[in-house]
Amino acid sequence: QVNLQESGPGLVKPSQPLSVTCSVTGYSITTSYYYWNWIRKFPGNKLEWMGYISYDGSIYYNPSLKSRISITRDTSKNQFFLQLNTVTTEDTAVYYCAADYGYTSFDYWGQGVMVTVSS
Amino acid sequence: DIQMTQSPASLSASLGETVTIECLASEDIYSNLAWYQQKPGKSPQLLIYYANSLNDGVPSRFSGSGSGTQYSLKINSLQSEDVSIYFCQQNYDSPRTFGGGTKLELK
Repeated sequence: QVNLQESGPGLVKPSQPLSVTCSVTGYSITTSYYYWNWIRKFPGNKLEWMGYISYDGSIYYNPSLKSRISITRDTSKNQFFLQLNTVTTEDTAVYYCAADYGYTSFDYWGQGVMVTVSS
Repeated sequence: DIQMTQSPASLSASLGETVTIECLASEDIYSNLAWYQQKPGKSPQLLIYYANSLNDGVPSRFSGSGSGTQYSLKINSLQSEDVSIYFCQQNYDSPRTFGGGTKLELK
């Protein structure tokens, strides 16, 4: 069983970077063929898949975010990270990390962390 | 990007009733379709994958069907614990995209 837990600031100022950490237990993030994803849910229920870092370190970003997003990992801590630069109020959302096996459906989700962008 | 259009946006039904939620993809996604349930204050949970495969632990009153661009989620004999928001999501092409959600309430 994979368990994921997000942590991050509740409040970020506009134009600042947003950083969220996902701590994984139960599986190593280098386990073949797991993909480690970031997904966000906006007020009003819209879900957006932001990107992933895979078991072998390959990365894919949603083109809608490509210039602002960075996903990295620390395999020694079994964590992966989201950084979103130059945020605006439109980046206010619940940020989830999620795992999928074999690039299919999202089998495991963290509980989510609410991030509000406001001055 | 593949657009996922989900309907209805909201639905009110009685206990014991059968409900159906539809999801239309903007192009053929070859059954690479998942359904998720999100209860209030919780994260989404996978119900159905590959259009019609029930995830472990999901009650058998949930079922998925469809092919090509048209898919549906059916809930038989609605229970009070089924009050949730339901989302479809395509895994056929990147970026992966979600439907807008269906809010299911009890009548």
